[in-house]
Amino acid sequence: GQQLNQSPQSMFIQEGEDVSMNCTSSSIFNTWLWYKQDPGEGPVLLIALYKAGELTSNGRLTAQFGITRKDSFLNISASIPSDVGIYFCAGLRSGSARQLTFGSGTQLTVLP
Amino acid sequence: GAGVSQSPRYKVAKRGQDVALRCDPISGHVSLFWYQQALGQGPEFLTYFQNEAQLDKSGLPSDRFFAERPEGSVSTLKIQRTQQEDSAVYLCASSLDRVPKVYTFGSGTRLTVV
Repeated sequence: GQQLNQSPQSMFIQEGEDVSMNCTSSSIFNTWLWYKQDPGEGPVLLIALYKAGELTSNGRLTAQFGITRKDSFLNISASIPSDVGIYFCAGLRSGSARQLTFGSGTQLTVLP
Repeated sequence: GAGVSQSPRYKVAKRGQDVALRCDPISGHVSLFWYQQALGQGPEFLTYFQNEAQLDKSGLPSDRFFAERPEGSVSTLKIQRTQQEDSAVYLCASSLDRVPKVYTFGSGTRLTVV
């Protein structure tokens, strides 16, 4: 099935560093969501974006909805060990579709 | 309960067996989704319910997959004659709204077909 293009696939960073990851698509989305998934658990919503150009923060996390509506990025500042996990972007298209389209994930490892 | 509950957490099935996976959404949530997540991939949409009505089943990979939500709350995903390629984590998500904006996921059922 179709998935969003998410990069990077994996990242190894030092504790305290900033992190950036992004998602792109050839299709327009009306909503962008960023999730974090820990091993053995379901995705947990981090940030939701509903308008093109919107910039939203949640603590050390900041995400933006691209102006073209075809991309989004997530930044994590001053990373800490509990940031380890897999981060997924997900988009919701316009029209009658209700289901999310997910990226393939970014595996984040934070080194002490 | 406070969250979306899925059972069993783990299921091992012999190839050819039928399996049934259960999802208890958050009480009062109208919309319910099933997703399939293969190892190392993002979740992929299977099917969507609004109350008891299955409005979209375009993601079901074959006619061996069947989902129901007869009373508009608990949902069951059934897979008949399981194949090895069915091995995955099956996630359920629910949303309060008919036009969902916030989706809450369960912890999933990890299905292994041997």
